[in-house]
Amino acid sequence: AQSVTQPDIHITVSEGASLELRCNYSYGATPYLFWYVQSPGQGLQLLLKYFSGDTLVQGIKGFEAEFKRSQSSFNLRKPSVHWSDAAEYFCAVSNNAGNMLTFGGGTRLMVKP
Amino acid sequence: GAVVSQHPSRVICKSGTSVKIECRSLDFQATTMFWYRQFPKQSLMLMATSNEGSKATYEQGVEKDKFLINHASLTLSTLTVTSAHPEDSSFYICSASKGTGGIYEQYFGPGTRLTVT
Repeated sequence: AQSVTQPDIHITVSEGASLELRCNYSYGATPYLFWYVQSPGQGLQLLLKYFSGDTLVQGIKGFEAEFKRSQSSFNLRKPSVHWSDAAEYFCAVSNNAGNMLTFGGGTRLMVKP
Repeated sequence: GAVVSQHPSRVICKSGTSVKIECRSLDFQATTMFWYRQFPKQSLMLMATSNEGSKATYEQGVEKDKFLINHASLTLSTLTVTSAHPEDSSFYICSASKGTGGIYEQYFGPGTRLTVT
């Protein structure tokens, strides 16, 4: 069975600092990987996804993620965090080209002024 | 774009009553929709997969008689929480699947906050 681990439950960074959110997955075949962001009381917004090809994917709001098969990781990065990035971030893996998602536990990002 | 709406956004009901939540794909047709439940400060847990015109597939541990799902059209799925109890209070999120060339992406609704008193 597929699974996703986000080791960091909470992360606090200063505004303007760089950010990296970790995501490790367990899946037997080629995974389809996603990062979503959720603001309080809201649904999920897709930041980026990896299906195939270039292992460094660019997303919205200045986010990027790198797929590393050897490490079973798909870490999310942003070079300079803005206060509006404070939210919950979820990594997800799919076994069916995006049609069935398994979510990680989430990482809550707080941004200090 | 691909927009998914949910109605209502918030609902408060008395224990023992039933509540219906609607999930609509506004600008695309969705053969498959998903229903998730999210407890405070936790991740999303898949409750069921809803396919248009057929019975929903429930995840293990989800009571199908309590959480009734109907997917009567390609743009509408409903979740009815029957005989709701306080422990059913939660944030319910739906998603609709849109596919192109065998690759699918789920688009999420804004969620419904259910409070059972």
